[in-house]
Amino acid sequence: DQQVKQNSPSLSVQEGRISILNCDYTNSMFDYFLWYKKYPAEGPTFLISISSIKDKNEDGRFTVFLNKSAKHLSLHIVPSQPGDSAVYFCAARSLGGSRLTFGEGTQLTVNP
Amino acid sequence: DVKVTQSSRYLVKRTGEKVFLECVQDMDHENMFWYRQDPGLGLRLIYFSYDVKMKEKGDIPEGYSVSREKKERFSLILESASTNQTSMYLCASSLSWTGIYEQYFGPGTRLTVT
Repeated sequence: DQQVKQNSPSLSVQEGRISILNCDYTNSMFDYFLWYKKYPAEGPTFLISISSIKDKNEDGRFTVFLNKSAKHLSLHIVPSQPGDSAVYFCAARSLGGSRLTFGEGTQLTVNP
Repeated sequence: DVKVTQSSRYLVKRTGEKVFLECVQDMDHENMFWYRQDPGLGLRLIYFSYDVKMKEKGDIPEGYSVSREKKERFSLILESASTNQTSMYLCASSLSWTGIYEQYFGPGTRLTVT
């Protein structure tokens, strides 16, 4: 039972344009959401997060949107840069716990 | 700056061998986690520990065990390695109950079982 789902295995965008990565979840007990970025042969690194009491969080070029009624979150990267090419994982935390549930990941490729 | 280190970047073992993967964190985090990453499956939790000598099963604990004798060190043990345990293994750590749920990851161990 995949509680966090990233339906697009890959996404390709041009440098300077917007990248939008999507994530859907099914568990209503999730109250905190995170995005991680992973380069090959490295561990994932934390990018940005959002609490379920908010609908938007922004950090520089990265913005995460949360639509609780649709159980959907998205990560916007504007403008996209070639160095953003990586696998992006969304993750969710269940109320009262420390463990995270991860999606399958989306490979983002930003073309120069 | 949080540092999570893993004992090996690459490991090749034979079927049936006992395998130890070590993870050390230097930020006094209470929680430590072991995941495996496989293409198309994302990161799946094997085991986690919220305190010394405490452990809980994750989503895929079969074939694995763990040990946490000291707060900074969390070991993953493959009792009898099998080819379907060929994977990237990632260790992570985090604080407890702070309202910040970010996990910090090590660089990963690429294990190949032949």
